[in-house]
Amino acid sequence: GIQVEQSPPDLILQEGANSTLRCNFSDSVNNLQWFHQNPWGQLINLFYIPSGTKQNGRLSATTVATERYSLLYISSSQTTDSGVYFCAVSPGNTPLVFGKGTRLSVIA
Amino acid sequence: KAGVTQTPRYLIKTRGQQVTLSCSPISGHRSVSWYQQTPGQGLQFLFEYFSETQRNKGNFPGRFSGRQFSNSRSEMNVSTLELGDSALYLCASSLGLDRSTDTQYFGPGTRLTVL
Repeated sequence: GIQVEQSPPDLILQEGANSTLRCNFSDSVNNLQWFHQNPWGQLINLFYIPSGTKQNGRLSATTVATERYSLLYISSSQTTDSGVYFCAVSPGNTPLVFGKGTRLSVIA
Repeated sequence: KAGVTQTPRYLIKTRGQQVTLSCSPISGHRSVSWYQQTPGQGLQFLFEYFSETQRNKGNFPGRFSGRQFSNSRSEMNVSTLELGDSALYLCASSLGLDRSTDTQYFGPGTRLTVL
């Protein structure tokens, strides 16, 4: 099946810093989503982005489908950005496959 | 619009017991997917229901089962609980009509502890 690799596995930032999270996938996809899991376990959908670039406030994402990777950018990080960020993909009419996530800690 | 709700939020059971978890999707969503999240295995797909039919199933033993009702609410059942079943069980709802554009919305999860 399709493999999803996220890097880095862990990231510690000072408040106000910027960061880039990466998601590599092993096959073509037609669905790619980024999620944020807060410390209480709630998964929040950030972006649906199988290709192209999207922005939502301090967050933006870019997927280069031909090269099989996606990037999530967080600018001016805040302590509330802490948690785990997951990339999930689907190559076709199949369920989403999740990466192992990037654990982000933002320190005040 | 109300989000995805899951009940109960926390559950403690002993080995050998069975458990039923419930998920109410967003109004208008017909697909409900279940995931198990553990520190060691991450997020793993259990099964998906669409219009009361199981559409996909993950690689879990037959002790894990589910169903969906006509109002799209879904339940999952785990029989003969094992210590390794301790996990956060997440439910996600989506429209379910086109997988390529389907966006999943997750509930808060049920944290199951098996003693």
